[in-house]
Amino acid sequence: DTQMTQSPSSLSASVGDRVTIACQASQDITNFLNWYQQKPGKAPKLLIYDASNLETGVPSRFSGSGSGTDFTFTISSLQPEDIATYYCQQYDNLPLTFGGGTKVDIK
Amino acid sequence: QVQLVESGGGVVQPEKSLRLSCAASGFTFSNFAMHWVRQAPGKGLEWVAGTSHDGRNRYYADSVKGRFTISRDNSNNTLFLLMNSLRRDDTAVYYCALPSSGSLMTCFDYWGQGALVTVSS
Repeated sequence: DTQMTQSPSSLSASVGDRVTIACQASQDITNFLNWYQQKPGKAPKLLIYDASNLETGVPSRFSGSGSGTDFTFTISSLQPEDIATYYCQQYDNLPLTFGGGTKVDIK
Repeated sequence: QVQLVESGGGVVQPEKSLRLSCAASGFTFSNFAMHWVRQAPGKGLEWVAGTSHDGRNRYYADSVKGRFTISRDNSNNTLFLLMNSLRRDDTAVYYCALPSSGSLMTCFDYWGQGALVTVSS
């Protein structure tokens, strides 16, 4: 199984700050990596697919990069509505696996 | 528009069974692979099972293999998850999820609202 390790597990930042989340795969997954946002009590929402492609309708302050085993998710300017938990997910092989999540809140 | 509506959740005793349903609308259900993903209280997301568009190919997480069965009724646009021999650590919100590409191995573009399953005596 491909293990997905996210860091940090939580972070606090100020509105307008640049926020970066790392996701490391235990083996090469090429670019088969997605990022989701989940707000409390809600279903996850797809933000980034194939490591760096922005889902339609998602604000451009969200971005993703990386390939192989190391990936990065960035919020260029944190907004109050971005308070949520973010997950990476690989689909290179079964079982599909998620990272442990990164909880983002406002300082 | 795409809608996924789960039902069938509830409180169930350990070792009992429960069947979840996911009613799909707004797309041609029979053309798309479908998945179940769960989330234990206060925990992260865990993929549970996936099925090809025709139901012939089914895949499971090791944690549920041999106990859970994913199936689908393409004539009624419904996805199922039959859960047998339930354990306390199966307590979670269960989401059905749709990859808009139709492929089994891809991202989950659409999610249902979730169905809470609580395994407790």
